[in-house]
Amino acid sequence: SQTIHQWPATLVQPVGSPLSLECTVEGTSNPNLYWYRQAAGRGLQLLFYSVGIGQISSEVPQNLSASRPQDRQFILSSKKLLLSDSGFYLCAWNLRGFVNEQFFGPGTRLTVL
Amino acid sequence: AQKVTQAQTEISVVEKEDVTLDCVYETRDTTYYLFWYKQPPSGELVFLIRRNSFDEQNEISGRYSWNFQKSTSSFNFTITASQVVDSAVYFCALSEDTSYDKVIFGPGTSLSVIP
Repeated sequence: SQTIHQWPATLVQPVGSPLSLECTVEGTSNPNLYWYRQAAGRGLQLLFYSVGIGQISSEVPQNLSASRPQDRQFILSSKKLLLSDSGFYLCAWNLRGFVNEQFFGPGTRLTVL
Repeated sequence: AQKVTQAQTEISVVEKEDVTLDCVYETRDTTYYLFWYKQPPSGELVFLIRRNSFDEQNEISGRYSWNFQKSTSSFNFTITASQVVDSAVYFCALSEDTSYDKVIFGPGTSLSVIP
């Protein structure tokens, strides 16, 4: 069966510090991978998605970036965090090639102080 | 452009009551897919159902049922005999066949089931 991992689970960082969130998927190959952000009490905002190694599509211009160094690894980064980067970050995957449901990781709760 | 509207921001019901969560979508594609997800307080989104645009048959799964009506562009979700464990945020979502890599989520409906 497939599983998706995210770490860390929670993170408190000062403004201006760097960020690295990691997501890995097990039990499948060539998945589509997604990063979402959910601000407190709000809906899901798609940040990045990837259909393959090194292929990143950005949905919202911001000070965040994403990378996919391996087939089942997706990393969300920032060089300098802003207060507005606080939120709940969710990674998701689905099968490539046709429409199907996404499966979500447990999320990382980021607080920028 | 694709869009998903969930007009009910918050709903509170007493345990054992039935509750319907509304979802209205907009799309120009003739082929599209609709989803419902549940987000319990733990935060992880749980997939509930997928429905494609060619299948208007309603579905029932235990206490959950879904009513898909293309004529009104709606995909409503009903919980029968609600329980406290149903308390969560529920998201309706849409994916078009022409951009199948992306899913557009509605703003969510927060359901509180009071014992």
